[in-house]
Amino acid sequence: GEDVEQSLFLSVREGDSSVINCTYTDSSSTYLYWYKQEPGAGLQLLTYIFSNMDMKQDQRLTVLLNKKDKHLSLRIADTQTGDSAIYFCAETGAGRRALTFGSGTRLQVQP
Amino acid sequence: NAGVTQTPKFQVLKTGQSMTLQCAQDMNHEYMSWYRQDPGMGLRLIHYSVGAGITDQGEVPNGYNVSRSTTEDFPLRLLSAAPSQTSVYFCASRTPQGDEQFFGPGTRLTVL
Repeated sequence: GEDVEQSLFLSVREGDSSVINCTYTDSSSTYLYWYKQEPGAGLQLLTYIFSNMDMKQDQRLTVLLNKKDKHLSLRIADTQTGDSAIYFCAETGAGRRALTFGSGTRLQVQP
Repeated sequence: NAGVTQTPKFQVLKTGQSMTLQCAQDMNHEYMSWYRQDPGMGLRLIHYSVGAGITDQGEVPNGYNVSRSTTEDFPLRLLSAAPSQTSVYFCASRTPQGDEQFFGPGTRLTVL
């Protein structure tokens, strides 16, 4: 079945760049997503990338996709304390009705 | 558009009680899903629906029922609540070809 893995924790200093990594197993993945969850809140879609793309940039966010290695990363430039949250990687593939999520990476931004 | 709405936001149940978590969306999305989120874990799929009258099981369906009588509503029923069902429940919707999946704010359920 499909599987998505992420590291559990990342700590960075304010102003640095953060890179959150994700690996997945399903070679038929079509869309790959990054969601942000703040404490006690729901999931906010940050960005997504279609599987035929290598990179997508959206303001401070850069998503890189290495389809050969099934590796997805999210880079947050100039990380701020407001970026502290849990970040979930998720994917879906052709013919699938729902998303498969990783267990989330907790990003801690130190002032 | 209100997007995806869920009620209640919080609920405490005793073991053996039943209840229904409500989910509604006003975006005319065909696909709707229920997930549960447990500490240290990602979201796990409980049930999903690809249209009115059509539902199917996800990864962790035991103890839950769903129905989809309208496009807008997708309620999740707990038949006989157990402490293992203590979790945060999220409802989501999207179009079949859609690239975004929209989530509701969640229902935090505690079963004593």
